[in-house]
Formats: sequence, structure tokens, C-alpha cells
Amino acid sequence: EIVLTQSPGTLSLSPGERATLSCRASQSVSGSFLAWYQQKPGQAPRLLFHGASNRATGIPDRFSGSGSGTDFTLTISRLEPEDFAVYYCQQCGSSPYTFGQGTKLDIK
Amino acid sequence: EVQLLESGGGLVQPGGSLRLSCAASGFTFSNYAMNWVRQAPGEGLEWVSGITGSGDKTYYADSVKGRFTISRDNSKNTLFMQMNSLRADDTAVYYCAKVLSGWYVVPLDYWGQGTLVTVSS
Repeated sequence: EIVLTQSPGTLSLSPGERATLSCRASQSVSGSFLAWYQQKPGQAPRLLFHGASNRATGIPDRFSGSGSGTDFTLTISRLEPEDFAVYYCQQCGSSPYTFGQGTKLDIK
Repeated sequence: EVQLLESGGGLVQPGGSLRLSCAASGFTFSNYAMNWVRQAPGEGLEWVSGITGSGDKTYYADSVKGRFTISRDNSKNTLFMQMNSLRADDTAVYYCAKVLSGWYVVPLDYWGQGTLVTVSS
């Protein structure tokens, strides 16, 4: 089973700042099959990226995804108030399709 | 418009059973793998199980293998999860979710609103 470790656990930033979230895998994720999701309180998760860097439909271009192998990054270039949420990575290369524990992005 | 509507959650005693359903609409159900993902209160997401569009292949997290069974009825556009030997740590909101691309099992582009399963005496 591939274990995903997200860091930091909590990130406190202000609107307009840049956010960098990390997802590290315990072994290489085949084909860079890594997805990112955003979840707001009381809501279901929303897909942001698949294949590490492919933006899902309707996701603003201030969001970007990168990485390969065992190290992946989600970057939000300029934070908007609606971006404060919990972010999860998921490896999609092999079953079980594990999630990271999440990074909470909150307002400073 | 894609819609996923879960049902079947509720309170069950430890060791008991429950069957979850997910009614799908707005897409060709049989063309897409489907999944169950759960979230314990105040905790993160845990992938539980997936099934291919035809139903010929199933996948499980180690934590539920041998206790949970995923299935689907493509004639009724419905996904199921039979949960047996339930434990307190199975308490969670259970989400039904659809795969982005018909070629794979994950990632997940549409999610239901979830159904709460509480395992307690």
C-alpha cells in the first residue's frame, strides 16, 4: 500500500499570498497518477487535478499541480477567500487508492 | 447533470450489517467505474472500494476487505455496498463517487452528498 504524507498539516496564510502544499508518497506513483481534491466544511470533495498537473473542469488557473515519482505539489498563486479549505491528495496508480491525511489551509 | 444520491445509512450495533445504495443519473452508468469513500467525524478521507463499469473487477481497502462487498446493477443505475461485521471504527459519512474517465477506477469527478453510518451499541 502506498502511504501519502501531506505537509504541512495546517497552513495559515492571508488572501493574496501564495500557498504551496506538498504530498509525498512512500513509493513511486506509477504514471504520475496523482489527484488533488478540495473539501469545504459540510461539502463533498471537489476534484482539482488529475495526472498530477491536469486541471479539472472549472478550476481557476491560479491553481497549479506539479511533480512526479514520489513528490507532488499543489500551488495556489494568489489566495482568494474561497480557497480556504482542506486539500487532499490521492494516488490513483494502484489499489488501494489511498488518500493523504490532508492539509488545512486557513486564514491568518 | 450528473447526480449521485446515497441512501441506507443509519445506526447499527457492532457486529451488525447495513446495505448502502447510490442512485446515479445524468451519465451512462455502465461506462464508468464507481467508488465508495468514507470520512469519519472530524477526520480525513479514506478510499474504501471501487468497481469497474461492467462490475467484473472490484477493489477494496485492507480495512474492509472480507467484510464489505461492492456491487452494481447497471439496469437500475445503482451502486451498492453491503457492509457486514460492522465495527465502531466504521462510523463515517460514506460517499458514492464516479470516476473521471471510463478507462480507470479513480480519480473521482462527481460525488454524492454522503450518508452517515453510525456503529454503536
